[in-house]
Amino acid sequence: DVKVTQSSRYLVKRTGEKVFLECVQDMDHENMFWYRQDPGLGLRLIYFSYDVKMKEKGDIPEGYSVSREKKERFSLILESASTNQTSMYLCASSPHGTSGNTEAFFGQGTRLTVV
Amino acid sequence: SQKIEQNSEALNIQEGKTATLTCNYTNYSPAYLQWYRQDPGRGPVFLLLIRENEKEKRKERLKVTFDTTLKQSLFHITASQPADSATYLCALEGNTPLVFGKGTRLSVIA
Repeated sequence: DVKVTQSSRYLVKRTGEKVFLECVQDMDHENMFWYRQDPGLGLRLIYFSYDVKMKEKGDIPEGYSVSREKKERFSLILESASTNQTSMYLCASSPHGTSGNTEAFFGQGTRLTVV
Repeated sequence: SQKIEQNSEALNIQEGKTATLTCNYTNYSPAYLQWYRQDPGRGPVFLLLIRENEKEKRKERLKVTFDTTLKQSLFHITASQPADSATYLCALEGNTPLVFGKGTRLSVIA
């Protein structure tokens, strides 16, 4: 059974903390993505990566960074957490190919609350 | 600007009826369009992909149409069941990978 695993289902952090959200996939996929999902706003792309050591900004990268040192792992970093980063964070992966041509597999999500 | 719109935020239908969900887009020329299902507190799960040169695609009780002239996709669930209750998302390729609509929350009432 193919899997995208996010390290935490629920996380509570304090304002100003550095936060790491980890995502691991076991499908040998080249492409990995981080989205956040908020009521009324839908899924919004934060960062994505088409290869190891490669990263590209999505639609809302401000306040975030990413790391992809190994093919199977894609980490999202909140440099200094703020309350407006309280959200559901979703990691996804897909095989190499033209974007949109292949299905994306999602993790179970991490609900992050910043207090 | 580029937009994906799923016309209904919520849709309630009776069990056994056909549910029809709409996805419209502007300022895109997607080669592919995808539909996903999302249950509360979980990540989206892929359902169907349709290519621009395909008018219709079916999978069991699901049917998707893709009209590039109207810039619209319709998603149908026939003989709907309470277990089909979920949020359904359409997605297509834009300037960045897979851009999603906000979703339609479907409730199938027994």
